[in-house]
Amino acid sequence: GAVVSQHPSRVICKSGTSVKIECRSLDFQATTMFWYRQFPKQSLMLMATSNEGSKATYEQGVEKDKFLINHASLTLSTLTVTSAHPEDSSFYICSAWGGTSTDTQYFGPGTRLTVL
Amino acid sequence: AQSVTQPDIHITVSEGASLELRCNYSYGATPYLFWYVQSPGQGLQLLLKYFSGDTLVQGIKGFEAEFKRSQSSFNLRKPSVHWSDAAEYFCALGLAGGGNKLTFGTGTQLKVEL
Repeated sequence: GAVVSQHPSRVICKSGTSVKIECRSLDFQATTMFWYRQFPKQSLMLMATSNEGSKATYEQGVEKDKFLINHASLTLSTLTVTSAHPEDSSFYICSAWGGTSTDTQYFGPGTRLTVL
Repeated sequence: AQSVTQPDIHITVSEGASLELRCNYSYGATPYLFWYVQSPGQGLQLLLKYFSGDTLVQGIKGFEAEFKRSQSSFNLRKPSVHWSDAAEYFCALGLAGGGNKLTFGTGTQLKVEL
């Protein structure tokens, strides 16, 4: 299957700082990338959908000014958590979709964010 | 709105025993259905998917799933479980192919007893 990477895999930051997470599709061009958040022992909750070259579409209840998403190329999307607070601590997972109806979303390995 | 239900939060089976994980969905048309597996601290790996055609789909690692429209179900099965199968399993529903966002079930935690 296709490979999607995320960087960093773990990050610890102080409250009030910003953190950037990268999601890359390594062997295919991703028309669309998705960002999910997963709390411990819970399912994945979609935060936003990003299409290359256009603004991200955020799910209801997700603050777009806090979770900045940029999808500058067909292989890279970034999620920036601005002014992070402890309640933003979570596991963030991205997925990438190649763009045909029979394609599957391929998931990255996730990024564990801990805000102190 | 569409939804996915995984009735079993935890399941424990003995190694070598058969396994069935339940998944029910609610959607007005034919859904696209997926099963993913997640090991602790890891991302999701696709086990199998159903888009159309044969309702019994084969996946990786010896897993299979059967789409039953009449029961709105897409249960995951494996005839003989290995200790390495212990993980979290998620059923997901997509509306129009992989590009549309997925709705996930709450997951089933599988424990395998040796």
